[in-house]
Amino acid sequence: DAGVIQSPRHEVTEMGQEVTLRCKPISGHNSLFWYRQTMMRGLELLIYFNNNVPIDDSGMPEDRFSAKMPNASFSTLKIQPSEPRDSAVYFCASSLRREATYNEQFFGPGTRLTVL
Amino acid sequence: GESVGLHLPTLSVQEGDNSIINCAYSNSASDYFIWYKQESGKGPQFIIDIRSNMDKRQGQRVTVLLNKTVKHLSLQIAATQPGDSAVYFCAENTHTGRRALTFGSGTRLQVQP
Repeated sequence: DAGVIQSPRHEVTEMGQEVTLRCKPISGHNSLFWYRQTMMRGLELLIYFNNNVPIDDSGMPEDRFSAKMPNASFSTLKIQPSEPRDSAVYFCASSLRREATYNEQFFGPGTRLTVL
Repeated sequence: GESVGLHLPTLSVQEGDNSIINCAYSNSASDYFIWYKQESGKGPQFIIDIRSNMDKRQGQRVTVLLNKTVKHLSLQIAATQPGDSAVYFCAENTHTGRRALTFGSGTRLQVQP
């Protein structure tokens, strides 16, 4: 299995530009998670999807952030407009959710975003 | 892969010694716990998990202990190796409601040869 795939691995952009991060979950997984990791806040959940439907977006910092999952094999996290404080490593993770069971999540390699 | 240089508590051990990494969790309703390892430049990697109906679980060279009374979780690594050097996170989850992991702040393990 190829694992969770994220692209790009590094992104450097200027303040005000639109940034799109991409994720391909592990085939067969039905839950997908977006996390952000920073020095100040550690690893924090932004949003997660179950069967392509957003379930909890309470971690999305503000309206500049949006996430979509048009199908079971692809998700995007978009920041528009980007700001320097958005600089972080963004991780995508996926899991196979079954009712009344527990969800081990598999993480991708991350995208390091730098907003100048 | 990527990681960030977090200012984390650091545990330094000699190669071959046993390591114990501790974690305090916050939600008494949490019934599932996971330990993740994050090496430099990579995403978090699953190590071992435990459900709240257990107080101990063993894997290969690793043991997780759960004390629900004081909401404490620990990860024991036997015969620590240089390849164990990484940041270790505990995460908690409930199987109802908001089914997403909440991560601790992490501990950096440094193994001295």
